[in-house]
Amino acid sequence: GQSLEQPSEVTAVEGAIVQINCTYQTSGFYGLSWYQQHDGGAPTFLSYNALDGLEETGRFSSFLSRSDSYGYLLLQELQMKDSASYFCAVRPLEAGTALIFGKGTTLSVSS
Amino acid sequence: DAGVTQSPTHLIKTRGQQVTLRCSPKSGHDTVSWYQQALGQGPQFIFQYYEEEERQRGNFPDRFSGHQFPNYSSELNVNALLLGDSALYLCASSSLTGGNSPLHFGNGTRLTVT
Repeated sequence: GQSLEQPSEVTAVEGAIVQINCTYQTSGFYGLSWYQQHDGGAPTFLSYNALDGLEETGRFSSFLSRSDSYGYLLLQELQMKDSASYFCAVRPLEAGTALIFGKGTTLSVSS
Repeated sequence: DAGVTQSPTHLIKTRGQQVTLRCSPKSGHDTVSWYQQALGQGPQFIFQYYEEEERQRGNFPDRFSGHQFPNYSSELNVNALLLGDSALYLCASSSLTGGNSPLHFGNGTRLTVT
């Protein structure tokens, strides 16, 4: 089976940098994705790592290390609008295109 | 370009009833997946439809069934509702030929079972 572990909550102030970690146990997967979900809204895609290393998309970066079964999402220059839930997700090799999500990390950004 | 649309946005049902949720995928997408998201949890995969057939299924009982129409829109049906079925039901669309292309989610249907 697959499981993903994330911290339940993270707090930070505007302008700061925050890292949300994701550790996983899975027999094999295509890649690690990150989604953002504001209260009551749709999850939206942020980043995807197919290979080990860092992917950068504007203020957001994501990292994957398959040997350590670990990834993270890095958010820089935090803004109030970044307050949301963040989910890591994997696409297991045997599951086609289905995504398995972690329980999510609630990020609260204060001024 | 319309994204994924779901209806209704909210629904209240009583135990034992049946419910049908609807989803229209993003333009150009041919694959629809359904997820259940309980409060404070991540989305859980229910099943996926492609070419009007269920292609994959998660760990959900047969009370959960679905359908995909020739225009790629989809329905999720839940029979014999239980209190534990109360959740946000999310529809996500993608293009099967898109490989690892990201899922596009709708805003969901909030189902409350009393």
